[in-house]
Amino acid sequence: GDSVTQMEGPVTLSEEAFLTINCTYTATGYPSLFWYVQYPGEGLQLLLKATKADDKGSNKGFEATYRKETTSFHLEKGSVQVSDSAVYFCALYSGAGSYQLTFGKGTKLSVIP
Amino acid sequence: NAGVTQTPKFQVLKTGQSMTLQCAQDMNHEYMSWYRQDPGMGLRLIHYSVGAGITDQGEVPNGYNVSRSTTEDFPLRLLSAAPSQTSVYFCASSYLGQVYEQYFGPGTRLTVT
Repeated sequence: GDSVTQMEGPVTLSEEAFLTINCTYTATGYPSLFWYVQYPGEGLQLLLKATKADDKGSNKGFEATYRKETTSFHLEKGSVQVSDSAVYFCALYSGAGSYQLTFGKGTKLSVIP
Repeated sequence: NAGVTQTPKFQVLKTGQSMTLQCAQDMNHEYMSWYRQDPGMGLRLIHYSVGAGITDQGEVPNGYNVSRSTTEDFPLRLLSAAPSQTSVYFCASSYLGQVYEQYFGPGTRLTVT
């Protein structure tokens, strides 16, 4: 079945540091890939998406590129801020009537001033 | 728009008690879902619905019932609570053609003693 593996946290960075959160996936066919973010005390919200190989999703300074050859979708940001402190979830959607998003376990990011 | 609302925010139950977690959305979304979030486990799908009168099981349905009598509401019932059901529960909704972009409620933190 489909699965998503993302790096274990927690990750602690200083403000303005470079961020990478690794995500790899296993799926049949050609899934779409997503990053969701959960700020403290809130539900998840979609951060960015990529629907086919070599697509780059971007939003709020975050980027991720859909790499079919390495089955990866790593999240990056060049300069993190304290307000980026949250839990980040990688997810995939196979579509074709599956009606289910498959989430990774989440990576908690803390950014310190 | 209120988006996705969940009640209650917090609940403590004794083993064997029953209760219903409420979820409502005002975006006219066809798709609604329930997840549980546990430390180190990420989000796991409990049940979902693709429209009024239609529900299906997700990854971890045992111990939970759902029904969907209207487009707006999707309650989750715990018939006989167990300590293993201590978790944070999220309801989410989306358009049927965009299940990858789900809108999440703020969550219900349930403790079963």
